[in-house]
Amino acid sequence: DTGVSQNPRHKITKRGQNVTFRCDPISEHNRLYWYRQTLGQGPEFLTYFQNEAQLEKSRLLSDRFSAERPKGSFSTLEIQRTEQGDSAMYLCASSNNRGETQYFGPGTRLLVL
Amino acid sequence: EDKVVQSPLSLVVHEGDTVTLNCSYEVTNFRSLLWYKQEKKAPTFLFMLTSSGIEKKSGRLSSILDKKELFSILNITATQTGDSAIYLCAVEAQGGGNKLTFGTGTQLKVEL
Repeated sequence: DTGVSQNPRHKITKRGQNVTFRCDPISEHNRLYWYRQTLGQGPEFLTYFQNEAQLEKSRLLSDRFSAERPKGSFSTLEIQRTEQGDSAMYLCASSNNRGETQYFGPGTRLLVL
Repeated sequence: EDKVVQSPLSLVVHEGDTVTLNCSYEVTNFRSLLWYKQEKKAPTFLFMLTSSGIEKKSGRLSSILDKKELFSILNITATQTGDSAIYLCAVEAQGGGNKLTFGTGTQLKVEL
């Protein structure tokens, strides 16, 4: 399967714990995006990378959130000191450098108790 | 701030019906409008529209963009139960990494 993959698919954690999600984009894609989707809403942009450079971050991305893409391939999104309001589906998407269609991964569903 | 509004929010139809989903938008430096279908997982790409008046078609689905009136429609003819999903509209602005701004989606349910 050469699509976007994300791990884990589901994560349940207690408030205050740290969590980390991983995204593996389509191999020839050098743009990678993170979005968050809550129930009844469309996905909201969080951040994006061109290769290893993080070029834009939404104001939705508080100081507790950090994303990396160290070698320009896979990316991780870490949430520190999770809060119940962080419960959401975290979606990763990738596209090529021509900025063509973004293809989404299956998402990581986070539940903070 | 870029904005996308979809209507209706939800819709229930019977198999064989034709449906029209609406998407209006406000965006600075428009580049494209995209439609995605979302079942119980990630959005899957349907169409990307960049030019006014040119219909894009894939099987029973079609879509068209009006850049003057700032809206798009997605048509589904001869609906089937497998069309039940959330249909998301998103706009992409020039520059800024081509991030997408999504609407809240239209929840379509197709009943037998």
